[in-house]
Amino acid sequence: RKEVEQDPGPFNVPEGATVAFNCTYSNSASQSFFWYRQDCRKEPKLLMSVYSSGNEDGRFTAQLNRASQYISLLIRDSKLSDSATYLCVVTRGGGFKTIFGAGTRLFVKA
Amino acid sequence: DAGITQSPRHKVTETGTPVTLRCHQTENHRYMYWYRQDPGHGLRLIHYSYGVKDTDKGEVSDGYSVSRSKTEDFLLTLESATSSQTSVYFCAGGGPNTEAFFGQGTRLTVV
Repeated sequence: RKEVEQDPGPFNVPEGATVAFNCTYSNSASQSFFWYRQDCRKEPKLLMSVYSSGNEDGRFTAQLNRASQYISLLIRDSKLSDSATYLCVVTRGGGFKTIFGAGTRLFVKA
Repeated sequence: DAGITQSPRHKVTETGTPVTLRCHQTENHRYMYWYRQDPGHGLRLIHYSYGVKDTDKGEVSDGYSVSRSKTEDFLLTLESATSSQTSVYFCAGGGPNTEAFFGQGTRLTVV
């Protein structure tokens, strides 16, 4: 079993839809949590950090559930430009052990 | 842009040859990382550095070595390239527990 697991998708949604991704992690010692976005054949870039209290950045909302060991990403009012792969990232061991999920692919269609 | 550049961007090499990939940063990141990305596996850590001449292994370090003689440069060497090392390699700086900034990646093909 992988330490960080994501549904690979793809998720195909129309513009304006709300879509949610979940990510589970197996190591309870995990410390920090992030969502990164990766466009096709490009490098990953930070989308947002994930805090226990939950956090929102415009149309994006991230949640962390430590008891159930999962994090989520909600995208509201999807745009064509949201089409990308979303990577769940977990760190532990002082942050040196940064574990990436394999990613969830999202396609937003007109 | 976080100022991480990788070279070369593309390389084709023959099995058994040594290969060195270069990562150069202009942001004075103390921590630097080398990852490989393969379909279905996501990004996997090869080696990382927490300072000049301070490096350690990641989860897939066999067949790879690194060096960091100055803050700006982090080199990844494939000692004797194999076909299983065909991959996309990303260098990153920043962290731990904070944002990591990635280079644009190097596509390596071992034939």
